[in-house]
Amino acid sequence: DAKTTQPNSMESNEEEPVHLPCNHSTISGTDYIHWYRQLPSQGPEYVIHGLTSNVNNRMASLAIAEDRKSSTLILHRATLRDAAVYYCILRDDRGSTLGRLYFGRGTQLTVWP
Amino acid sequence: GAGVSQSPSNKVTEKGKDVELRCDPISGHTALYWYRQSLGQGLEFLIYFQGNSAPDKSGLPSDRFSAERTGGSVSTLTIQRTQQEDSAVYLCASSKPYQETQYFGPGTRLLVL
Repeated sequence: DAKTTQPNSMESNEEEPVHLPCNHSTISGTDYIHWYRQLPSQGPEYVIHGLTSNVNNRMASLAIAEDRKSSTLILHRATLRDAAVYYCILRDDRGSTLGRLYFGRGTQLTVWP
Repeated sequence: GAGVSQSPSNKVTEKGKDVELRCDPISGHTALYWYRQSLGQGLEFLIYFQGNSAPDKSGLPSDRFSAERTGGSVSTLTIQRTQQEDSAVYLCASSKPYQETQYFGPGTRLLVL
């Protein structure tokens, strides 16, 4: 699986938007971009994923660069509960090759009240 | 509905003893994954079960580690002759057939003294 690069940490104030960047310059045409987050003392939870087009769900938005070499997870209004480690993961989601997720070190997001 | 459950929540054992960790996946999820997370580290893939196919054991760190999945549901991860470096949080995840999203359990915190 292709490698991703994320900042080690970021900070935000509560109720402000947060943009978490991820670089994946070696992404292949069949790699999907997945985001998971891990709250303290919990297992990771799925946030969002996409292939080429920007994606929105109730948790976040995913903005994907036109060349797909980078993406940004957007939390529109950060809450204290959003403080977590955010992982950007690439995976070839063609059905027959589904399997492990490769977790890097992720970005530790701190949200200040 | 019920999520992925793991037991025990915490396990303290002595070096050299064997331990068994249990994972109950979400009903209907045919894919099951084991990961481990050492203190301050990212998640490391261990093993992947998909239906009746042969498991992907490529992430198991040594032959002291083994896992089985009975009846396509519950899975047990066994660590024989535990070592102090085996201390970590062991996480289990499951997913629907050929679905991208993995659902994680809360993990088992293993401490080897």
